[in-house]
Amino acid sequence: NAGVTQTPKFRILKIGQSMTLQCTQDMNHNYMYWYRQDPGMGLKLIYYSVGAGITDKGEVPNGYNVSRSTTEDFPLRLELAAPSQTSVYFCASSFRDEQYFGPGTRLTVT
Amino acid sequence: GENVEQHPSTLSVQEGDSAVIKCTYSDSASNYFPWYKQELGKRPQLIIDIRSNVGEKKDQRIAVTLNKTAKHFSLHITETQPEDSAVYFCAASMGYGGATNKLIFGTGTLLAVQP
Repeated sequence: NAGVTQTPKFRILKIGQSMTLQCTQDMNHNYMYWYRQDPGMGLKLIYYSVGAGITDKGEVPNGYNVSRSTTEDFPLRLELAAPSQTSVYFCASSFRDEQYFGPGTRLTVT
Repeated sequence: GENVEQHPSTLSVQEGDSAVIKCTYSDSASNYFPWYKQELGKRPQLIIDIRSNVGEKKDQRIAVTLNKTAKHFSLHITETQPEDSAVYFCAASMGYGGATNKLIFGTGTLLAVQP
């Protein structure tokens, strides 16, 4: 099992550009999550999904969108990137309580 | 909503000493409390967790205690080693069956173990 994979590893965006962060898991987990981690800070939940076709907002959803068309994939969409979205983004999945994290995407918006 | 506070923000200990990190939470409905270790540039890794029906759990040099009445839980690392140096995060959620099991994280503790 590859576990949770994320692409790309790094990305630099200009202000106003858009992009999609990809997340895939091969553990058949129903629950999936997107977090952002600002330098020296904890993780903040952006969006989560309890199964294919079901998504909901977390603590910091503004500026982001998600979709969950399959169990395996949970892409995060940034529209009109802003410098405040410079962060490391982690995707995670879980079957029950324990969440498994992907390696992260380091995003810089300049 | 749930709020998790974590102290201290930094902790420096000598190799072989013990380290204790404390967290408090606000939502009495929370019943799942994991601890994650994150090395520089890496993903968070679960090191131990505890559920509300248990007061203490141990795994070799790591232990977690939970006081539901006071709404606080702590991570204890004994016989610290340089490889324990990392950022440690506590978190809380309503756990599986709580419809979402969303994790709310503390702000982290940077542990430095001096050789």
